[in-house]
Amino acid sequence: AQSVTQLDSHVSVSEGTPVLLRCNYSSSYSPSLFWYVQHPNKGLQLLLKYTSAATLVKGINGFEAEFKKSETSFHLTKPSAHMSDAAEYFCVVSGRGGYNKLIFGAGTRLAVHP
Amino acid sequence: ETGVTQTPRHLVMGMTNKKSLKCEQHLGHNAMYWYKQSAKKPLELMFVYSLEERVENNSVPSRFSPECPNSSHLFLHLHTLQPEDSALYLCASSQTGTQDETQYFGPGTRLLVL
Repeated sequence: AQSVTQLDSHVSVSEGTPVLLRCNYSSSYSPSLFWYVQHPNKGLQLLLKYTSAATLVKGINGFEAEFKKSETSFHLTKPSAHMSDAAEYFCVVSGRGGYNKLIFGAGTRLAVHP
Repeated sequence: ETGVTQTPRHLVMGMTNKKSLKCEQHLGHNAMYWYKQSAKKPLELMFVYSLEERVENNSVPSRFSPECPNSSHLFLHLHTLQPEDSALYLCASSQTGTQDETQYFGPGTRLLVL
């Protein structure tokens, strides 16, 4: 069965410092992996996705994530945080099924301080 | 309109009311989803429609009734709800039968049951 664990429920950084949001996954086959972001009172927006091509994936707003099969990790990073990055971030793994089943992590709330 | 739209954005209803949530996707996708997002809980998949057929119903109470009249529209009919049903209801769509498993989300309907 597929599962995903976000290792931190809250992360707090200062503006201009690096961001690291950690995600581990479990899958019995080669999954697709996604990061979504949710700003307050908004829906989920796709940040980036890994689909078995390059292991370093670049997304929108300067975010990137690296797929590491040996560590079963897909951590999200950004070199320099902006105030507008404050939001909730979800790591997601694809599941099995006749449709595009997604399994969501519990989320990491990112706070950015001036 | 582009992407996935949802109406209304906010809804307050009493426990004896009947209301409907509407979702429309403008992406040409063939699958649509309803999710429930409650405070401090992971995102819960409620219903999935693929090619206008319901393919998943995750033990959702019968007071929630989905309807998918065509591949672009999805409704969630609500009746005799409970206060614990207050949540953000998110709609998503995707294209099944391809390598791309990405789901695209609407902005959500914030529901408050009094």
